[in-house]
Amino acid sequence: AQTVTQSQPEMSVQEAETVTLSCTYDTSESDYYLFWYKQPPSRQMILVIRQEAYKQQNATENRFSVNFQKAAKSFSLKISDSQLGDAAMYFCAYRTAGGTSYGKLTFGQGTILTVHP
Amino acid sequence: KAGVTQTPRYLIKTRGQQVTLSCSPISGHRSVSWYQQTPGQGLQFLFEYFSETQRNKGNFPGRFSGRQFSNSRSEMNVSTLELGDSALYLCASSSGLSGGPLTDTQYFGPGTRLTVL
Repeated sequence: AQTVTQSQPEMSVQEAETVTLSCTYDTSESDYYLFWYKQPPSRQMILVIRQEAYKQQNATENRFSVNFQKAAKSFSLKISDSQLGDAAMYFCAYRTAGGTSYGKLTFGQGTILTVHP
Repeated sequence: KAGVTQTPRYLIKTRGQQVTLSCSPISGHRSVSWYQQTPGQGLQFLFEYFSETQRNKGNFPGRFSGRQFSNSRSEMNVSTLELGDSALYLCASSSGLSGGPLTDTQYFGPGTRLTVL
């Protein structure tokens, strides 16, 4: 079974600074997808960024980028120029590509990000 | 496009009762997945429906069931409620088709907060 681990229960950053959230996963599969979701106090889960395992290039979405290290099974999220609106719980998630794991995302335990003005 | 909607947003029940939660996916999406979120267990996958068929199921007791209608709307039912069923229940919709994370990304609703007394 796949597992996702987020080793940082809480992180904090000053507004306009950069912060990196860590995520590691365990899988025996070679093809899969990885995601970062954000859950603000409203509890609405919002997609931040996604990555295909077979793509070497790291995904980027505006101020958000990932460092995907497939051999190390690591998928960290970097937030540049942090804003107050980035404060939320961040979840790393894994999904098998194809097979029978339809619709199943496996989530890490989450990292609470606090942004200080 | 309108996002994923869930009703009701809040629900209070007593032990032994049953409850039905509803989820309306994004227009055109045929897959609906359900998740349970608790402080202790985090986010756990319940099941996934695609074109009115359950394709995948997590490790939950038979008290948890679901169904999907021809318009892709889905309902989740929990019978004989227990205190431990108190949680935020999230549904997510996607195309349900293979083809990479861009086509099969899950978009979440705001959740239903269930409290069992």
